[in-house]
Amino acid sequence: GAGVSQSPRYKVAKRGQDVALRCDPISGHVSLFWYQQALGQGPEFLTYFQNEAQLDKSGLPSDRFFAERPEGSVSTLKIQRTQQEDSAVYLCASSLAGGEQFFGPGTRLTVL
Amino acid sequence: GENVEQHPSTLSVQEGDSAVIKCTYSDSASNYFPWYKQELGKRPQLIIDIRSNVGEKKDQRIAVTLNKTAKHFSLHITETQPEDSAVYFCAASSEDSSYKLIFGSGTRLLVRP
Repeated sequence: GAGVSQSPRYKVAKRGQDVALRCDPISGHVSLFWYQQALGQGPEFLTYFQNEAQLDKSGLPSDRFFAERPEGSVSTLKIQRTQQEDSAVYLCASSLAGGEQFFGPGTRLTVL
Repeated sequence: GENVEQHPSTLSVQEGDSAVIKCTYSDSASNYFPWYKQELGKRPQLIIDIRSNVGEKKDQRIAVTLNKTAKHFSLHITETQPEDSAVYFCAASSEDSSYKLIFGSGTRLLVRP
C-alpha cells in the first residue's frame, strides 16, 4: 500500500509569507506526528494527533505554528509570517496507536 | 524533558568490520527505543526497535541491546557493507509522553570498500 506522502516536497518562501504543508498518512493510522529537522540534526517533535484530536503541541516553537487534522486523516501544518530560522525539513509520520512510526519524505522549507 | 545523547557523531569502518553506536536517555518512563537509518535527502526508515521488556533483539546483521538500569542502548552492525553508509538516529519514547520520538543527534557511518 501507499506510504506517508507529503506536499509540496520543496517550498521557497519570502520572509513574512505564510506557508501550508500537507501530510497524507497511511490509511487507518490513528496517530500522526510532525517533526522539524534542521540541517545536520535529528528530527525534533512538533505536535501529535490521535485521530482529529491534537493531544500534544508542546514542540511547536511559537504561536506562528499551527497544525490541524480536521477529519482524522490528512493533516496540515501552517506557519505564519515565516522567519529564516523556520528553514528546515518538516517531516510527518503516522502510526497505529503506540506502533512503529512511518515517515513521509518531508517538505524542505527555505525562507529567504 | 527527555533527552537522548548519541555517540559517536561520525564513524568510519572498513567493509566487513563491525560498527557500534551508543545512546543514553534521561526519562526512566521511556519504554520504546527505535533506530532509524536516513540516507542523504531521504526519509528516516526504521531498521530495528526494542521495547523495555527485552534486553536484546537481533535481525540478521543488526542487533540492539538495552540496559534499563544504566539507561543506555546500543546498535550493533556486523559485517558492514558500503550500502550501510548513512546517518543513523536513535530515539526514545513512552506512552506517558504521547509516544513522541525524542531523537539523538545522529551518527554518520561511512563504510570504506
